[in-house]
Amino acid sequence: ETGVTQTPRHLVMGMTNKKSLKCEQHLGHNAMYWYKQSAKKPLELMFVYSLEERVENNSVPSRFSPECPNSSHLFLHLHTLQPEDSALYLCASSQEEGSGASKQFFGPGTRLTVL
Amino acid sequence: GQNIDQPTEMTATEGAIVQINCTYQTSGFNGLFWYQQHAGEAPTFLSYNVLDGLEEKGRFSSFLSRSKGYSYLLLKELQMKDSASYLCAVMDSNYQLIWGAGTKLIIKP
Repeated sequence: ETGVTQTPRHLVMGMTNKKSLKCEQHLGHNAMYWYKQSAKKPLELMFVYSLEERVENNSVPSRFSPECPNSSHLFLHLHTLQPEDSALYLCASSQEEGSGASKQFFGPGTRLTVL
Repeated sequence: GQNIDQPTEMTATEGAIVQINCTYQTSGFNGLFWYQQHAGEAPTFLSYNVLDGLEEKGRFSSFLSRSKGYSYLLLKELQMKDSASYLCAVMDSNYQLIWGAGTKLIIKP
């Protein structure tokens, strides 16, 4: 138990569906992250929020839309996804963003399959 | 470009020692992290090195040489539960984590 929870753990959706991934951290951290993890590839950083403000968007397609209503919750809204978007989506949090010693705590991930 | 290299897969025997290497080329350096990830689970933090040398934490140790752009994770007295992927990540000058693809470690009895 890392203090970061994600729901759902598994999601299968069609290309025309709209769904949302949810992340919650119980650690009192100020920064939250969305990552995409594909088999045998490095973790890809998608979005970073610090104190509920988005500070990083690594050229992610607009079919992925993040939302951070407060410092404990993070959402990833999905619409009109492609089969190549199938992957494990990981949420993480850290005490602060932009600090060398601030290690990240990860949730268990949502395994997404796009049909 | 920025790059982290680590072996894709390694196999070791229960009770033995294994060293997982990581080399990096990044724009700037603000520390190197090792994470462990069991199949289907979250990555969990193992170690952080920002100065040269060896950091020991129980059965696990991590070494860093900034001049060589090199780190290793040393696992002693291997147990079956150590079967997992080990992720190396470097924080660059913009404090962004650059990740390796991970090393899958298989432990055999």
